[in-house]
Amino acid sequence: LAKTTQPISMDSYEGQEVNITCSHNNIATNDYITWYQQFPSQGPRFIIQGYKTKVTNEVASLFIPADRKSSTLSLPRVSLSDTAVYYCLVGPFSSGSARQLTFGSGTQLTVLP
Amino acid sequence: DVKVTQSSRYLVKRTGEKVFLECVQDMDHENMFWYRQDPGLGLRLIYFSYDVKMKEKGDIPEGYSVSREKKERFSLILESASTNQTSMYLCASRSVGPETQYFGPGTRLLVL
Repeated sequence: LAKTTQPISMDSYEGQEVNITCSHNNIATNDYITWYQQFPSQGPRFIIQGYKTKVTNEVASLFIPADRKSSTLSLPRVSLSDTAVYYCLVGPFSSGSARQLTFGSGTQLTVLP
Repeated sequence: DVKVTQSSRYLVKRTGEKVFLECVQDMDHENMFWYRQDPGLGLRLIYFSYDVKMKEKGDIPEGYSVSREKKERFSLILESASTNQTSMYLCASRSVGPETQYFGPGTRLLVL
């Protein structure tokens, strides 16, 4: 079971690029890495998912090194509305069990003006 | 647009009461989840259902039970509410395949 570790909090300023790293030393061969964003009083929502190297969508990029023991969520040019808690989740792409899914404890990102 | 709804946003109950939290999804997803979320502890899985009438204990099932009689509905039951069950409860659903969970807005439960 891949245990994940994230920083508890990070601060940034508007317009900067923000990188949040998640450590998952025991990641399994069939595990994917997924990131979620959560605003206050809302449920988390999917941001991005990857298996190796780099994935980019309209919201973020995800960098995964060759050993896959960590991953970095990159948010380009953040704005105040990006202030949220970011969770990384490690687990198999297709799983009939939730036991193999491990959420990180979340990183509170605060974007300052 | 995908949707997961939870029966209440806020709930206040007394110690010892039986509490029902309902979750409904309209995406025909096989998998459904119940989590609780507490400050500093992130998301902790209570129960998981991989199909109708099928369930699996998560990391913290003690004091809870679940029911899934229909595919779209997953209920969390607190048999005898206690103050340490005061928390935010989140329901999610997922189709078999890509790990993309869709979450409801959450129910903030206060047990007095």
